[in-house]
Amino acid sequence: EAQVTQNPRYLITVTGKKLTVTCSQNMNHEYMSWYRQDPGLGLRQIYYSMNVEVTDKGDVPEGYKVSRKEKRNFPLILESPSPNQTSLYFCASSLMDTQYFGPGTRLTVL
Amino acid sequence: DAKTTQPPSMDCAEGRAANLPCNHSTISGNEYVYWYRQIHSQGPQYIIHGLKNNETNEMASLIITEDRKSSTLILPHATLRDTAVYYCIVSLSSNTGKLIFGQGTTLQVKP
Repeated sequence: EAQVTQNPRYLITVTGKKLTVTCSQNMNHEYMSWYRQDPGLGLRQIYYSMNVEVTDKGDVPEGYKVSRKEKRNFPLILESPSPNQTSLYFCASSLMDTQYFGPGTRLTVL
Repeated sequence: DAKTTQPPSMDCAEGRAANLPCNHSTISGNEYVYWYRQIHSQGPQYIIHGLKNNETNEMASLIITEDRKSSTLILPHATLRDTAVYYCIVSLSSNTGKLIFGQGTTLQVKP
């Protein structure tokens, strides 16, 4: 089954403790991206990647890092999480005109 | 990317057609109209997209006006499971660009 998976689905952490949210797709898509969703602000793109070793900033990249060492994986790294990064995070991958979204990761930073 | 305007909410009776409008008066000639939906807090789901011509797939139909300044998503026989937030997005092909999500239309399908 074609899908985008994210782990963990839920995470509660404390300020400053580094964390990684993994994203994996099994569709051999070149394009992947990360979004965050906050009430009243909708979905905003954090980072995207056009292919292996090619990444670029989206609209709200501050406080986040990404890497794309393999086509299927696109992890989101929070080196020093802060409470304002409490949000619902979605990974997406696409080929041509359709983006496929993962199930989401709900992150709470205390 | 062009901005879109959608009504914040709509109701629809179960079994009836749901017609969701979208205005995109500043759309440029090479921009597509995409529709996604988000059920509760799940990941957005692609529904349909089009450039100029009307489109239909197993989920919905997309009607784009001749001047391309507005479009309508039609769910022909709405069910309770179609209750969701529906996003109309205007963008270049999503293979090369990001999707800019607005606030969308919350569709409530009622029994």
